[in-house]
Amino acid sequence: KQEVTQIPAALSVPEGENLVLNCSFTDSAIYNLQWFRQDPGKGLTSLLLIQSSQREQTSGRLNASLDKSSGRSTLYIAASQPGDSATYLCAVYFNQAGTALIFGKGTTLSVSS
Amino acid sequence: GAGVSQTPSNKVTEKGKYVELRCDPISGHTALYWYRQSLGQGPEFLIYFQGTGAADDSGLPNDRFFAVRPEGSVSTLKIQRTERGDSAVYLCASSETSYADTQYFGPGTRLTVL
Repeated sequence: KQEVTQIPAALSVPEGENLVLNCSFTDSAIYNLQWFRQDPGKGLTSLLLIQSSQREQTSGRLNASLDKSSGRSTLYIAASQPGDSATYLCAVYFNQAGTALIFGKGTTLSVSS
Repeated sequence: GAGVSQTPSNKVTEKGKYVELRCDPISGHTALYWYRQSLGQGPEFLIYFQGTGAADDSGLPNDRFFAVRPEGSVSTLKIQRTERGDSAVYLCASSETSYADTQYFGPGTRLTVL
């Protein structure tokens, strides 16, 4: 069964810390992987899409890495801010075409000032 | 440009009633997806459209759920004989192509079945 797992389920850090969110998936033969942010009661905001041929993708203070052989992706957030507090979701395309994303349950991040 | 929009934002209905949820995707996006999200869970796939046709409806939980996209743009998710277990946030997403492309999500419709 194709599954996506995110650990930890929740994380609390003080403002200014660098942090890493983890995502693992059961099938190394994935295509693309997408990271999202979800604020309470809101929809999902796309942060980054990493294509299967890439190892890293960067956007501002965010850096996402992909290691297909180990079935893992990480989202690195530099110099965290209270505004980063949200739930971060990892989602995987297990096929290239004609398929939907399979999501993890997310990591809820709280950054205190 | 405009993002994905969904209406209504909230829907409260009684058990056994029929409901329709609407999604307006980003203009020009050929792929459209419906997901359902329960509290504390990630979104779960329901159905995916490529153009006007349902390319994959394997996520629909049973035959009470149906979705259409008649002109390849707006989509409607229809739920017959609603049950309390149908209560969830229904999310719609669109992408420019159907080849593992970036998906853009709408704000969702929160359905509550009393």
